[in-house]
Amino acid sequence: DQQVKQNSPSLSVQEGRISILNCDYTNSMFDYFLWYKKYPAEGPTFLISISSIKDKNEDGRFTVFLNKSAKHLSLHIVPSQPGDSAVYFCAASPLPTGANSKLTFGKGITLSVRP
Amino acid sequence: GAVVSQHPSWVICKSGTSVKIECRSLDFQATTMFWYRQFPKQSLMLMATSNEGSKATYEQGVEKDKFLINHASLTLSTLTVTSAHPEDSSFYICSATRGFLAKNIQYFGAGTRLSVL
Repeated sequence: DQQVKQNSPSLSVQEGRISILNCDYTNSMFDYFLWYKKYPAEGPTFLISISSIKDKNEDGRFTVFLNKSAKHLSLHIVPSQPGDSAVYFCAASPLPTGANSKLTFGKGITLSVRP
Repeated sequence: GAVVSQHPSWVICKSGTSVKIECRSLDFQATTMFWYRQFPKQSLMLMATSNEGSKATYEQGVEKDKFLINHASLTLSTLTVTSAHPEDSSFYICSATRGFLAKNIQYFGAGTRLSVL
C-alpha cells in the first residue's frame, strides 16, 4: 500500500516555463512534507518543505502548495532551468515531528527541462 | 553544511560473503541515522532507524540478523549485509538528521550499489 504517490513518472518542460510536480498521499497522519531532488549517482538533496499548518511555502524559484483536504501537494518551479533536470521525490512525515521522524517517499518524478 | 558521506559507492561481492557500508556525517553530529533500500524505479524504502549508542529500530519485514546496523558514534553508522545473496543486490542509501532544530530534514549520502554474484 503506497502511502505517498507520484503518479506521473516523468515530466518534460521547456526552459523558462513552469514545472508542476504533483504528489498525493493517503495517510491523514502525515503532518510534514518535503521535496527532494536527486541527480544520477548522488544522494537526494533537500529542496523545500511545508508543514500541514500552511498551504504554501516559497523559496526562490520553488514553491510548494499543500491542499490538506485533498491530500495533495505540488511543487512549482518557475522559471524552469536545464539544471533542474533530475528526479524529484515527494516525502511525508507523521506527528510527532523531530529528528527521529520517519519519512515515507514516493517513487519520484523524472523532470527534463529542454533548452 | 550537512554533508553525509557514504562508502563504498559500489561493491561487488560473492554470494555468502558479508559487506559493510559506512555512513558518516562530515560536518555535524547526527542525532539519528536512517538506512534505506531502493529498487529500480521504486521509492526509497526505510529499513531501519538508528540512534547513537542504542539498538537500531527495524521496519517490519527487515531481518535484523541479516542487516546489522551499528551506530557507534554521533558521526558514524554502519550497515553490514551478512551472508549476502543475489536477492540482496540493491541500492542502499543512508541519511542523517541534525537534531530537533532541523525538524525532519534528512541529509543523504550518495548511496551504495551492491551487486551480489
